[in-house]
Amino acid sequence: KQEVTQIPAALSVPEGENLVLNCSFTDSAIYNLQWFRQDPGKGLTSLLLIQSSQREQTSGRLNASLDKSSGRSTLYIAASQPGDSATYLCAFAYGGSQGNLIFGKGTKLSVKP
Amino acid sequence: KAGVTQTPRYLIKTRGQQVTLSCSPISGHRSVSWYQQTPGQGLQFLFEYFSETQRNKGNFPGRFSGRQFSNSRSEMNVSTLELGDSALYLCASTVLGTGNTEAFFGQGTRLTVV
Repeated sequence: KQEVTQIPAALSVPEGENLVLNCSFTDSAIYNLQWFRQDPGKGLTSLLLIQSSQREQTSGRLNASLDKSSGRSTLYIAASQPGDSATYLCAFAYGGSQGNLIFGKGTKLSVKP
Repeated sequence: KAGVTQTPRYLIKTRGQQVTLSCSPISGHRSVSWYQQTPGQGLQFLFEYFSETQRNKGNFPGRFSGRQFSNSRSEMNVSTLELGDSALYLCASTVLGTGNTEAFFGQGTRLTVV
């Protein structure tokens, strides 16, 4: 059974800190990995998609890496801001279809001003 | 470019009733997937439709069903509602539904069963 684990479950940091969120998965034969952000009671916002042939992707203050051999992905957030407060979810595509994503339980991030 | 649209945003139903949720994908996207999100189980895959055909199905009872229309819009139906069906239901669309494409989610439908 494919599983995705996200550590830590919750994180509180002061504004301006750089931080790393971790995601580990049991199936190294993933097709790609996607990071999302979810605000309370809302849908998911796609942050970054790392294809299986890539090792990292960057968007603004965000950088995501993928190491298939170790079954890990990290999301690096630089110079955190209060507006970054949200739950961050990682998910990988299973069975060759981006339509079937396996999600972790998420990391709830709180950035204090 | 319009995003993924889900209607309605909120629903309150009584146990035993049935409910239909709707999802309009991003224009040009042919794959629509449905997920259930609860505090205890997190996000769980329900099913995926591509070109009007169910392509994948998660581990949910037969009370959960769906369909996709020729314009790629999708509906999800839950019959004989149970209290445990209370959840946020999210749909996602992708261009082709194959690997290496990005999934985009709607705002969800919050279903409360009383």
